[in-house]
Amino acid sequence: EADIYQTPRYLVIGTGKKITLECSQTMGHDKMYWYQQDPGMELHLIHYSYGVNSTEKGDLSSESTVSRIRTEHFPLTLESARPSHTSQYLCASSAPGTGDYGYTFGSGTRLTVV
Amino acid sequence: ILNVEQSPQSLHVQEGDSTNFTCSFPSSNFYALHWYRWETAKSPEALFVMTLNGDEKKKGRISATLNTKEGYSYLYIKGSQPEDSATYLCAFILDSNYQLIWGAGTKLIIKP
Repeated sequence: EADIYQTPRYLVIGTGKKITLECSQTMGHDKMYWYQQDPGMELHLIHYSYGVNSTEKGDLSSESTVSRIRTEHFPLTLESARPSHTSQYLCASSAPGTGDYGYTFGSGTRLTVV
Repeated sequence: ILNVEQSPQSLHVQEGDSTNFTCSFPSSNFYALHWYRWETAKSPEALFVMTLNGDEKKKGRISATLNTKEGYSYLYIKGSQPEDSATYLCAFILDSNYQLIWGAGTKLIIKP
């Protein structure tokens, strides 16, 4: 049973729309991450958070923004979606001591912008 | 630029056969290496977190070894079953304050 939940699973939207991808975890993890992944390619970190009110950009430039008002919730927002945003977005969390424990992933949101 | 290479990119294996694939990472600094299994339409699932040179970890028919001095890890699957079909990802971390650096994965397809 998943301890980290992403919604929606699939989303097709028009260019210019504002969207929010939801991610929630029930494990009390301080560290949370958003990854973007295109088929056959590596996961690229776009945002991460080490706790409430802490957010950082990852190594892949992204036009999205995130917020972390509550430990369990880490939504990602695109103010104006474009076809270049079409991708799979994965949310993950980890226990203290990055690298000592595996990450727990959500099931992903596959976004298509038309 | 830090790079993690996984080979082969894809692999077809007959059911019942054993197989292995490789993850290569920079050997200059090392903190940990992760292996994940990602089945289609599911979430990536952590298999192993390896930290010590010479480490060998096992989970059922799947095992992994680690050589930090030469910068590689092998994942072995013994007696492949259809449920082993998945993409296997490795990720390297060079310091506890750094993020995971991911390989592109090895896509394993088990032929019945």
